[in-house]
Amino acid sequence: QSALTQPPSASGSPGQSVTISCTGSSSDVGRYNYVSWYRQHPGKAPKLIIYEVTKRPSGVPDRFSGSKSGNTASLTVSGLQTEDEADYFCSSYAGIPNIALFGGGTKLTVL
Amino acid sequence: EVQLEQSGGGLVKPGGSLRLSCAGSGFTFTNAWITWVRQVPGKGPEWVGRVKSKTSGGMIEYAAPVKGRFTVSRDDSEATVYLQMNNLKTEDTAVYYCTMGLCTGASCHWDDAFEIWGQGTMVTVSP
Repeated sequence: QSALTQPPSASGSPGQSVTISCTGSSSDVGRYNYVSWYRQHPGKAPKLIIYEVTKRPSGVPDRFSGSKSGNTASLTVSGLQTEDEADYFCSSYAGIPNIALFGGGTKLTVL
Repeated sequence: EVQLEQSGGGLVKPGGSLRLSCAGSGFTFTNAWITWVRQVPGKGPEWVGRVKSKTSGGMIEYAAPVKGRFTVSRDDSEATVYLQMNNLKTEDTAVYYCTMGLCTGASCHWDDAFEIWGQGTMVTVSP
């Protein structure tokens, strides 16, 4: 059982938007504004797409956006494209000694 | 190009040992904090351990399931971080990644935003 809870699956049609949730606790997601999101294609390493809840690393399109309310963070993917079909993981800083907690992942299907 | 190149891994029996290596290039390795993350195929990643740079004190932290069995070390002269895994258990079976935090401007997110990843290496612990 992962430390952060994500829905196992999500789906949307090309061009639509989809939102993925990530629920933690008051010790991690609720305490720190250090939630990050990763996209992972099969057989590949995760790729960072959101950090500090809402920020995008250089090169990540603005179709990806993040937010947080209380102990739950969310990732929204707008204007879905076929390349967005992948697994998405959230992560939260959790301090010493746990450092970083991850979610179990959400498989996004672009119909 | 900033890169982390991994080596090591493979098949080992329960109770056995393995050492993974993670070599960095394209950046100032001595300043980097390196983290190890593992992932059982089909599951979410799991934070394993992290070594700070020597200039930041060099502290090493471990996740509870591996503490006392795994050792992270670094050789800055070789720009390499190691993960020594002893007394391996079947539940240690996973793909192991080394990773490094995102640096923007004057600050780096060493512990909360992992931007650079190694290619991953499979560790299988089986009788």
